[in-house]
Amino acid sequence: GAVVSQHPSWVICKSGTSVKIECRSLDFQATTMFWYRQFPKQSLMLMATSNEGSKATYEQGVEKDKFLINHASLTLSTLTVTSAHPEDSSFYICSATRDGQPQHFGDGTRLSIL
Amino acid sequence: EDQVTQSPEALRLQEGESSSLNCSYTVSGLRGLFWYRQDPGKGPEFLFTLYSAGEEKEKERLKATLTKKESFLHITAPKPEDSATYLCAVQHLNDYKLSFGAGTTVTVRA
Repeated sequence: GAVVSQHPSWVICKSGTSVKIECRSLDFQATTMFWYRQFPKQSLMLMATSNEGSKATYEQGVEKDKFLINHASLTLSTLTVTSAHPEDSSFYICSATRDGQPQHFGDGTRLSIL
Repeated sequence: EDQVTQSPEALRLQEGESSSLNCSYTVSGLRGLFWYRQDPGKGPEFLFTLYSAGEEKEKERLKATLTKKESFLHITAPKPEDSATYLCAVQHLNDYKLSFGAGTTVTVRA
């Protein structure tokens, strides 16, 4: 199946710092990538939709200045959590898709803000 | 507003004890219904896509079915390695977004 790589898998940082998470589709060119957030024992909540070469579309309630998304190429999207605080601690997961095919997910990034 | 409800929340099975998971949904225009498997600390792994009522898909011990209001994931003679959280998601007709249910956590004991 399709492979989506997410890096880093785990990051711990101090409150106020910014953290960048990378999502790469390794074996296909992804026209669209999605970013999700998942709290313990809860389902995935869509944060934003990212299309290559255009601005991301954010879901209601998600601060675009807080969660910066860049989709610079058909194989790479990045999510930067700016000035992170403890309430931003969560499991962040990306997915990639092409031409309406099923979304394939990365293995997630566990973010802990101290 | 779209709603995806999965039941039960948790399911404990003995190895070989077949069972079914339910996913009921309301969506304004369904493009497809997806089943994913998620292991702890990992991202979801794609299992099936169902597009129309009456459709069925099978993969090893798993079989997914779809009606106009719900989908079932049948697990036949499960093994311990089938232990995971199974997620159901609906995809909208007008875009490619997925709305996920909360999942059913299946534990299969040897």
